[in-house]
Amino acid sequence: EDQVTQSPEALRLQEGESSSLNCSYTVSGLRGLFWYRQDPGKGPEFLFTLYSAGEEKEKERLKATLTKKESFLHITAPKPEDSATYLCAVQASTGGFKTIFGAGTRLFVKA
Amino acid sequence: SAVISQKPSRDICQRGTSLTIQCQVDSQVTMMFWYRQQPGQSLTLIATANQGSEATYESGFVIDKFPISRPNLTFSTLTVSNMSPEDSSIYLCSVVPRTGATDTQYFGPGTRLTVL
Repeated sequence: EDQVTQSPEALRLQEGESSSLNCSYTVSGLRGLFWYRQDPGKGPEFLFTLYSAGEEKEKERLKATLTKKESFLHITAPKPEDSATYLCAVQASTGGFKTIFGAGTRLFVKA
Repeated sequence: SAVISQKPSRDICQRGTSLTIQCQVDSQVTMMFWYRQQPGQSLTLIATANQGSEATYESGFVIDKFPISRPNLTFSTLTVSNMSPEDSSIYLCSVVPRTGATDTQYFGPGTRLTVL
């Protein structure tokens, strides 16, 4: 069964304190792994798509990496405005567009 | 990416009534989906809205409870029927664009539903 597990559930950082969020996945052939950001009361905002092990993508203070079993979202020198829930999701190569979401990591960045 | 709007943005409904949620996209899309996000939970796919044909429902979701329409390539509706307090959730529409990132889902702002 395709599955996505994110850790930690919540992460509290001081402004400028870099860290990483983890996404472990089990899927019958990976079509794509996605990262989203979700602010309270809003829909998820697309961040990155990763397709194969070794791939990396960056956007401002965020960098996403992918291995065969995990993805990491690295946050460098975070700011309070980076506070949000970060969702990881996967699509299996045999599942069409069906997307399995993890439970998310709630990030709090304190000034 | 596509610009997606949902109506209403929020509603408070009485038990036993029904609510229809609209999803409008500013460009034609290939795929449209409906998700539910219960309080403190992640996203669960309800169904894929198929243009011109019946929606494809995920396990645990049925057409009688969540009828879906998709009359064209830019519009879909989800009805939550005979509501109970357990239906209180955020309902989200997502789309896959026809051009650009054609493997990525983009989400609408959501409809926050409270059932009393």
